Amino acid sequence: EVQLVESGGGLVKPGGSLRLSCTASGLIFSNAWMTWVRQTPGKGLEWVGRIKSKVNGETTDYAAPVKGRFSISRDDSKNMVFLQMNSLKTEDTGVYYCTKDRPFTRGGVIVLWGQGTVVTVAS
Amino acid sequence: DIQMTQSPSSLSASVGDRVTIACQASQDITKHLNWYQQKPGKVPKLLIYDSSILETGVPSRFSGSGSGTDFTFTISSLQPEDIATYYCQQYDDLPYITFGGGTKVEIK
Repeated sequence: EVQLVESGGGLVKPGGSLRLSCTASGLIFSNAWMTWVRQTPGKGLEWVGRIKSKVNGETTDYAAPVKGRFSISRDDSKNMVFLQMNSLKTEDTGVYYCTKDRPFTRGGVIVLWGQGTVVTVAS
Repeated sequence: DIQMTQSPSSLSASVGDRVTIACQASQDITKHLNWYQQKPGKVPKLLIYDSSILETGVPSRFSGSGSGTDFTFTISSLQPEDIATYYCQQYDDLPYITFGGGTKVEIK
């Protein structure tokens, strides 16, 4: 079964850091471009960022609200992708999903979602 | 960023009713539009991609249409299991995909 499982969410104070992990199974992970999407009370569903595969340079892209604070990395030997979140703000509170697009397409059609991990930023 | 505006934000309809949701993009996105269904406590599920193509296994009472900036999602005969929030999402401006604000569908 193809699945994504996130972990690492929790309660953190404003200005703090958190590292989310996503473990993939049932797919050729090294070829996959992986994306993080969040669902927040303020903005609903919001694209966070993406990391390309190693053969595509592991290039990363980020949404404007998180650029410079969040970073995405991957470990293909463990079928894992990570979201390092620094300088967290209260508006970062929400559910964070690891996702994957339909393969062999131009991208942007999300066919696989993890179950999500909850991040709460509060003092 | 391309802004996606959905309307209405919520609706209430009877079982068997035809339900229509509108989604407008802030600029031309050709047909690069998806529709997702999110049931309470669940993750979003892809229903329609490329504006009008039904994902495999999705009931035929769901349909989508439109191109450019104006799109429509329709449930031809609302069923109790369709209670959910529906989201449109553009993927014209990759990788910067954006979602609409959602439409919550309830049974009257």
